[in-house]
Amino acid sequence: GAVVSQHPSRVICKSGTSVKIECRSLDFQATTMFWYRQFPKQSLMLMATSNEGSKATYEQGVEKDKFLINHASLTLSTLTVTSAHPEDSSFYICSASPVTSGRGVETQYFGPGTRLLVL
Amino acid sequence: AQTVTQSQPEMSVQEAETVTLSCTYDTSESNYYLFWYKQPPSRQMILVIRQEAYKQQNATENRFSVNFQKAAKSFSLKISDSQLGDTAMYFCAFMITAGGTSYGKLTFGQGTILTVHP
Repeated sequence: GAVVSQHPSRVICKSGTSVKIECRSLDFQATTMFWYRQFPKQSLMLMATSNEGSKATYEQGVEKDKFLINHASLTLSTLTVTSAHPEDSSFYICSASPVTSGRGVETQYFGPGTRLLVL
Repeated sequence: AQTVTQSQPEMSVQEAETVTLSCTYDTSESNYYLFWYKQPPSRQMILVIRQEAYKQQNATENRFSVNFQKAAKSFSLKISDSQLGDTAMYFCAFMITAGGTSYGKLTFGQGTILTVHP
């Protein structure tokens, strides 16, 4: 149990286009989902916190208009990279925290990540 | 703000031996969790072990154990009987579990690349 999927796993796009990445909790409902960015051989940096039915909370330095996050249901959050540029090329990872009673936000499950390459 | 520091960019160990990865953190909070995550070449993040700050007893999970020194703000990971499958990047992470704007957010260290040699 506790599986989080991401789609697509890899995407290549042209500069200036928009790309949508989906994060789904397959066998549990997630009140909160988190989006991270990771450069090669570096750490994960939190980009934003996504709560179902409300606006996402972005970390300092993350452009809200560039990285649009939507958490429309308890099993799906999406990250849209708008007008992508080569510097947006990175590995994007989501995590999800279940609603289940008895578990706090310290329980998080990670998706397998999405590799974005902008040409 | 919370910070997590891993001072060992790379480590190596022979199969079946023991290795310890270091982690220090800085916070003024009192309610928090500490984690070790493993990221193998597949890049899937895998929880290795976690420790609640209010618990004095060190957490253990099979071959993995931690040495949690709260006063020193140190949280090292010991891997016993190392296996080839332990080869991965290991991240120490911190999470505040009380209310506030940082609630539930993971702060990761820089990571340590561990290579297990046959």
